[in-house]
Amino acid sequence: NAGVTQTPKFRVLKTGQSMTLLCAQDMNHEYMYWYRQDPGMGLRLIHYSVGEGTTAKGEVPDGYNVSRLKKQNFLLGLESAAPSQTSVYFCASSLLAYNEQFFGPGTRLTVL
Amino acid sequence: GQQVMQIPQYQHVQEGEDFTTYCNSSTTLSNIQWYKQRPGGHPVFLIQLVKSGEVKKQKRLTFQFGEAKKNSSLHITATQTTDVGTYFCAGEGDYKLSFGAGTTVTVRA
Repeated sequence: NAGVTQTPKFRVLKTGQSMTLLCAQDMNHEYMYWYRQDPGMGLRLIHYSVGEGTTAKGEVPDGYNVSRLKKQNFLLGLESAAPSQTSVYFCASSLLAYNEQFFGPGTRLTVL
Repeated sequence: GQQVMQIPQYQHVQEGEDFTTYCNSSTTLSNIQWYKQRPGGHPVFLIQLVKSGEVKKQKRLTFQFGEAKKNSSLHITATQTTDVGTYFCAGEGDYKLSFGAGTTVTVRA
């Protein structure tokens, strides 16, 4: 039982490049989330999903897109990376809405 | 909109001492959760409080939910080096979960 996994762990991009972050969970959770964490700002919700095939905007969705084609996977895409998107990205999942969230190990992204 | 504020932002504690971190919301919350993030790690769920005035204990950690369900506190007694990390509260209200900015704890041995 791996819980929540994220790939890659680290990535460096140049401004304007695109990339996809992959999150996978093996707990059969309906709810999945993408957060970004910046110093002094806690965790801010980018997008979330309440089930397979659904996505919704969070607090800071601009510049990101997501997809949930399979229940266990939640993908976060950056179409044209900007230096302001330099951050640590965490994926999380939960069985119920607004309940205990299980976080992945994070992806540290640097945009030059 | 809903905002969750945490104070202090940093807490430097002598090993063996007690300290408290506070979480305050601008709106009434349905529940509040606490998470701990070790340096270089990811947030890990500690506890959830739901009832007004609720108090829960986990060994040396005591969590409290205010009577008005707009604030919460985490009190740690006899701080140990294993308590190092950032403690986040997350409040549910208005159909969303909002995280505070966290209290980062360092311990002097």
